[in-house]
Amino acid sequence: EPEVTQTPSHQVTQMGQEVILRCVPISNHLYFYWYRQILGQKVEFLVSFYNNEISEKSEIFDDQFSVERPDGSNFTLKIRSTKLEDSAMYFCATGAGGSDTQYFGPGTRLTVL
Amino acid sequence: RKEVEQDPGPFNVPEGATVAFNCTYSNSASQSFFWYRQDCRKEPKLLMSVYSSGNEDGRFTAQLNRASQYISLLIRDSKLSDSATYLCVVNMRGYSTLTFGKGTMLLVSP
Repeated sequence: EPEVTQTPSHQVTQMGQEVILRCVPISNHLYFYWYRQILGQKVEFLVSFYNNEISEKSEIFDDQFSVERPDGSNFTLKIRSTKLEDSAMYFCATGAGGSDTQYFGPGTRLTVL
Repeated sequence: RKEVEQDPGPFNVPEGATVAFNCTYSNSASQSFFWYRQDCRKEPKLLMSVYSSGNEDGRFTAQLNRASQYISLLIRDSKLSDSATYLCVVNMRGYSTLTFGKGTMLLVSP
């Protein structure tokens, strides 16, 4: 069964550093999402991406965040200057259509020191 | 008002028991409804979609009441492997983003 993959599985960084989280979507999927889950809290939507542009974003997705699909396969989330409160699990999800089931990757655990 | 509310639990049940979880959502424009399952420190995995007519998948039955903005999940004959957090998830008409509840933890004991 095809699955979403994410790298790295765990990233430790110093406050103020830039991080890039990577996702490889399921091959025929066209809709891409990033969610995050702070430890002990609910999963929260960050951003959705379709046709090479952001289609929706939440209040969390401020100017420190950006997404792109640089090579037509990887889908990346960049955090320009990490803060302590960015520590969380970041999940990539993909779907074939806008209202179709979203399949989640295994996540990247980001720890900001 | 919270968008998707669930009883956090934990629900402690013995193997073989029947257990039911409830969920309410605040946005009447919600269009699609799902139950996801999340194991500790893992990704959410789709358990089942929830249809207006109700639907069943093996030991799992989901119901939707649009008038009351209420979703339920019934698990029959609980197995040890059912131990997990069950996430109630909705999305609104015209949007693809998912809104998650905090989840209800289920612990099934021998």
